[in-house]
Amino acid sequence: DAGVIQSPRHEVTEMGQEVTLRCKPISGHDYLFWYRQTMMRGLELLIYFNNNVPIDDSGMPEDRFSAKMPNASFSTLKIQPSEPRDSAVYFCASSPWYNQPQHFGDGTRLSIL
Amino acid sequence: DQQVKQNSPSLSVQEGRISILNCDYTNSMFDYFLWYKKYPAEGPTFLISISSIKDKNEDGRFTVFLNKSAKHLSLHIVPSQPGDSAVYFCAASALSGGGATNKLIFGTGTLLAVQP
Repeated sequence: DAGVIQSPRHEVTEMGQEVTLRCKPISGHDYLFWYRQTMMRGLELLIYFNNNVPIDDSGMPEDRFSAKMPNASFSTLKIQPSEPRDSAVYFCASSPWYNQPQHFGDGTRLSIL
Repeated sequence: DQQVKQNSPSLSVQEGRISILNCDYTNSMFDYFLWYKKYPAEGPTFLISISSIKDKNEDGRFTVFLNKSAKHLSLHIVPSQPGDSAVYFCAASALSGGGATNKLIFGTGTLLAVQP
């Protein structure tokens, strides 16, 4: 079975540029989560969706961050404009329904110069 | 405010011995707990979970213990193998009651090294 697929695996870009991270959840999973991992803050939830609808975006750091889920098989996390402090590993995860474990992708390592 | 704490950043054990990883939490609303394992350059992989209605859950070499009164859980790995060397995260959520959410709060992780 295909797991959660994230692209790109690595992204290096200059400050001020727009960055788009992509995620394909496991087919049939109703929940999708975006996380960020940094040395300072560890693994923290940014936003999650249920049936393509954003449920909790309280972890989104600021308005420069936005996430969409146009259909059940695709989600994006966008940063515009990007800043060096956004450098981190961003993970996408999905779960089949409410109280089931989340399955993670391998992450996107983002470096903002 | 760290709601889920893993106070040991690292742990080293000999192959074949028991590994015990600990986790403490502060939010009494948490009722579902999970352990994840993470290798470098990979995403976290789910290992085992426990609901607050239980105090123990076992899956092969992995056992999770929950002490609700102490707000403490632990993961036991017996016997430990070199392939178990990884970072282990505990996570918690409040699935029921007021403010119920599917949101996971993660600890900071413990790096386990199993020596051959």
